[in-house]
Amino acid sequence: GQQLNQSPQSMFIQEGEDVSMNCTSSSIFNTWLWYKQDPGEGPVLLIALYKAGELTSNGRLTAQFGITRKDSFLNISASIPSDVGIYFCAGLDILTGGGNKLTFGTGTQLKVEL
Amino acid sequence: EAEVAQSPRYKITEKSQAVAFWCDPISGHATLYWYRQILGQGPELLVQFQDESVVDDSQLPKDRFSAERLKGVDSTLKIQPAELGDSAMYLCASSLDRGNIQYFGAGTRLSVL
Repeated sequence: GQQLNQSPQSMFIQEGEDVSMNCTSSSIFNTWLWYKQDPGEGPVLLIALYKAGELTSNGRLTAQFGITRKDSFLNISASIPSDVGIYFCAGLDILTGGGNKLTFGTGTQLKVEL
Repeated sequence: EAEVAQSPRYKITEKSQAVAFWCDPISGHATLYWYRQILGQGPELLVQFQDESVVDDSQLPKDRFSAERLKGVDSTLKIQPAELGDSAMYLCASSLDRGNIQYFGAGTRLSVL
């Protein structure tokens, strides 16, 4: 199935550094979501974006919905060890048949060095 | 805090056996989703329910997979017979209604030997 392209694929950073990752799509989405997944667990929602150009923060996390509606980025400021995990972007489509579809990115694995 | 409950957390089975996974969505959530996540990839939707009705099962391999949500609350996903390539994490999610934010359970990790 279709997946969104995320970059970088993985990052190894020092504690306290800022982190930036992005997500691009060939299709337009009306809602962008960012999830974090720890090993052996399900994805946990971090931020939801509903409008092109929107910039939203959640604590040390900031995400933006690209104005073309085909991309989004996530920034994490002052990283800490518990930020370790895999970050997924996801685009939400409302389908004409009445359902909706969440298309996930390929994931960015974040590792933090103490 | 309300959660999506899934069981079992882990399942090991031999190929050609039948397996079943159970999901209890957040109370009041009308829409329920089953996803499959292969290691190193993002989740991919298998089937979506609105109350007790299937609204999208276009990605469900119907020759061996089945899903039901008989009373519009909890749901079961079944694989019969299991194949080696079915080894993956099976995630359940729910949302208040279509188009709303999806909340995920912890998943069932399936290993087919």
